Amino acid sequence: GAGVSQSPSNKVTEKGKDVELRCDPISGHTALYWYRQRLGQGLEFLIYFQGNSAPDKSGLPSDRFSAERTGESVSTLTIQRTQQEDSAVYLCASSLAWDFYSSHEQYFGPGTRLTVT
Amino acid sequence: SQQGEEDPQALSIQEGENATMNCSYKTSINNLQWYRQNSGRGLVHLILIRSNEREKHSGRLRVTLDTSKKSSSLLITASRAADTASYFCATVTDNNNDMRFGAGTRLTVKP
Repeated sequence: GAGVSQSPSNKVTEKGKDVELRCDPISGHTALYWYRQRLGQGLEFLIYFQGNSAPDKSGLPSDRFSAERTGESVSTLTIQRTQQEDSAVYLCASSLAWDFYSSHEQYFGPGTRLTVT
Repeated sequence: SQQGEEDPQALSIQEGENATMNCSYKTSINNLQWYRQNSGRGLVHLILIRSNEREKHSGRLRVTLDTSKKSSSLLITASRAADTASYFCATVTDNNNDMRFGAGTRLTVKP
């Protein structure tokens, strides 16, 4: 079946511009995650949605970052006034649910490579 | 799809004991990473070990990598109740754009 999709796959933007990244999770997955991966580093957790709610936004690196999810489906990550340090691959993942005693498998999208010049 | 397989699937220990989790994988890798997931949070990156490294330490964490056996282990020493979480290994292939996670080990540390 269809996996997690993200768009665009690549985005080059000028410093100071706003960007919007999109994630379409697997249908029926209630949990959705955003991560950032800088070159050669591990994943950096940004935000997590259970349904349309984000219980904890403390992982977002600054107030220039925001995310929303609608219809327990598509999610957008918005970065305002982009800076060069925002350059990274932004990954989205979804899972059926998050519960300590149930499956934790997260299905990752291909990522959006953001380059801020 | 998953490449890494962690074992055990679940581990329950007393505070102060050491916890060892293992990860096996199938294909050649560039590096292997361990992550932790707590309630209501996404994955938190713990440690990265490259294919030419055999052992790395970070605080109470010790990771080993045996590329001949395609396996890695994560040791948490002097465990604390706050270490209760799920732990995942993730493998990254040489082109560094393919990260695969295992199903995880659920660790419970009893106070």
